[in-house]
Amino acid sequence: ETGVTQTPRHLVMGMTNKKSLKCEQHLGHNAMYWYKQSAKKPLELMFVYSLEERVENNSVPSRFSPECPNSSHLFLHLHTLQPEDSALYLCASSQGPREAFFGQGTRLTVV
Amino acid sequence: AQTVTQSQPEMSVQEAETVTLSCTYDTSESDYYLFWYKQPPSRQMILVIRQEAYKQQNATENRFSVNFQKAAKSFSLKISDSQLGDAAMYFCAFGGSNYKLTFGKGTLLTVNP
Repeated sequence: ETGVTQTPRHLVMGMTNKKSLKCEQHLGHNAMYWYKQSAKKPLELMFVYSLEERVENNSVPSRFSPECPNSSHLFLHLHTLQPEDSALYLCASSQGPREAFFGQGTRLTVV
Repeated sequence: AQTVTQSQPEMSVQEAETVTLSCTYDTSESDYYLFWYKQPPSRQMILVIRQEAYKQQNATENRFSVNFQKAAKSFSLKISDSQLGDAAMYFCAFGGSNYKLTFGKGTLLTVNP
């Protein structure tokens, strides 16, 4: 247990569906992150929220929409995804630019 | 922009022996953090060890230690007395002032019994 919880753990969705990934951290951290991990690719940073404001958006397609309603929760809203979006999505939190603690990840499959 | 390079896609070690994983990085920042993360087959990313750049002393966590060479921008991980449970993908990561953690591509470590 790292204090960062992601739900669901597995998700299969069609290309026309809308779904959301949820992340919750119980560590009192002030920054939260979404990473994408595809097979044979390095970890890709998607979004960073610091003190509930987005500070990084790494040229992510608009079919991914993040939301950070408070410092403990982070969502990733998904709509009209493509098969190449299938990957492991990892949420993490940190206190400032220090080590990040990761959730267990959501394995997403787009069919 | 920072870059992190892990030049060894795969490594193997015999149980109880020592192995060193390499990492180099590039940055113009003077104050930063470096990390090694482990990702076993469960896919959970686990922090193994961290090093603050302003500290000259190399970090140590039980069987894990680093060799931090700031001038050379090198940050290797040494695993002593390797155990079967050490088998995993290991990622080197750089943390700077902008809340971004930059990861290397990883090194897959196999531990042979």
